[in-house]
Amino acid sequence: DAKTTQPPSMDCAEGRAANLPCNHSTISGNEYVYWYRQIHSQGPQYIIHGLKNNETNEMASLIITEDRKSSTLILPHATLRDTAVYYCIVRVVGDTGGFKTIFGAGTRLFVKA
Amino acid sequence: DTGVSQDPRHKITKRGQNVTFRCDPISEHNRLYWYRQTLGQGPEFLTYFQNEAQLEKSRLLSDRFSAERPKGSFSTLEIQRTEQGDSAMYLCASSLSGTGQSPLHFGNGTRLTVT
Repeated sequence: DAKTTQPPSMDCAEGRAANLPCNHSTISGNEYVYWYRQIHSQGPQYIIHGLKNNETNEMASLIITEDRKSSTLILPHATLRDTAVYYCIVRVVGDTGGFKTIFGAGTRLFVKA
Repeated sequence: DTGVSQDPRHKITKRGQNVTFRCDPISEHNRLYWYRQTLGQGPEFLTYFQNEAQLEKSRLLSDRFSAERPKGSFSTLEIQRTEQGDSAMYLCASSLSGTGQSPLHFGNGTRLTVT
């Protein structure tokens, strides 16, 4: 699976949009981009994933560049409860692939009042 | 609650003792994963089951570690002769196969402290 690069930490003001970048310049055509987050003392929580189109759900939006070499996770109105470590992962998906999700160190997002 | 359940939440043991953790995945999920996480690091993959078959083990999983999923439902992770370096959070996750894109659903982990 391709490697991802994320900033180690970011700050965001409460109520503002949090934009978390991820670089995955070696991504291949059959690899999806996944985002998880981990709040202190809990297991990681799935947020969103996509292949090449932008995606949106009730938690966040995922913007993937046209060349797929980078992506941005957007939390439109960050709250204090969004303070967490956010992991960007790329993995092959298929019946036999994608079974070993590899996590990096992630981005520690601090949402401040 | 129908999420992934792990037991116990915390375990303190003395070096050299054996410990066993249990994971109950989401009932319809046939894939089950174990990860280990130390402070400040992301989760590290340990092993993975599809139904009752253990299909991959990481090099991190030394001979002292063994995982089972006897009936393709719950799983256990045993650590024999614990060492201080085994102190970590042990996370279990489950997912569906066949849908390809199925994300991992994690439990809240078992925190192991070896004294």
